[in-house]
Amino acid sequence: DAGVIQSPRHEVTEMGQEVTLRCKPISGHNSLFWYRQTMMRGLELLIYFNNNVPIDDSGMPEDRFSAKMPNASFSTLKIQPSEPRDSAVYFCASRNSGSYNEQFFGPGTRLTVL
Amino acid sequence: DQQVKQNSPSLSVQEGRISILNCDYTNSMFDYFLWYKKYPAEGPTFLISISSIKDKNEDGRFTVFLNKSAKHLSLHIVPSQPGDSAVYFCAASFDYGGSQGNLIFGKGTKLSVKP
Repeated sequence: DAGVIQSPRHEVTEMGQEVTLRCKPISGHNSLFWYRQTMMRGLELLIYFNNNVPIDDSGMPEDRFSAKMPNASFSTLKIQPSEPRDSAVYFCASRNSGSYNEQFFGPGTRLTVL
Repeated sequence: DQQVKQNSPSLSVQEGRISILNCDYTNSMFDYFLWYKKYPAEGPTFLISISSIKDKNEDGRFTVFLNKSAKHLSLHIVPSQPGDSAVYFCAASFDYGGSQGNLIFGKGTKLSVKP
């Protein structure tokens, strides 16, 4: 039974480049969350979707960040242009809203912006 | 302004002894609390949870206690094992079982269990 799948696992890019992170939630889950983990701020929610619709994007730091969920099995988080302060681990999580509030996390994407 | 606080960034415990991880929250509207465990290079994994109608929930070696009046919860691990060494995150939710499911996380406590 596959869990949440994220790609790539590691991304190194130069400042100013576009970065796209990908997530495949667990089949049957209808809520999807994007988090960013840094030493300073811990795990912070960026945006979450319910039934493919963005519900709360107040955690998205700037207009450089955007997220889409074109269907129930795929979501992207895009940063354009990327900056060194965007370096962090980005996690995707999914949940079945018919159950308790437990979220299932992917392994994360470690992003380094030089 | 953190709504969920884990004031101890790290904790070191001897194998076989009890580990107690603490978490404080500020919003009395939270109605569901969870603990996640995270190993390096992996995503957080769910460990145990408690709803606000209870004050204790136990699962094997792990017990979570909730003190609503103090807005405090704690995770007890007894006995601690070296494999328990990880970062533990406390999380809180407003909408238990509802359609939102947004979790607010603390910054984590790194537990080291020494053999």
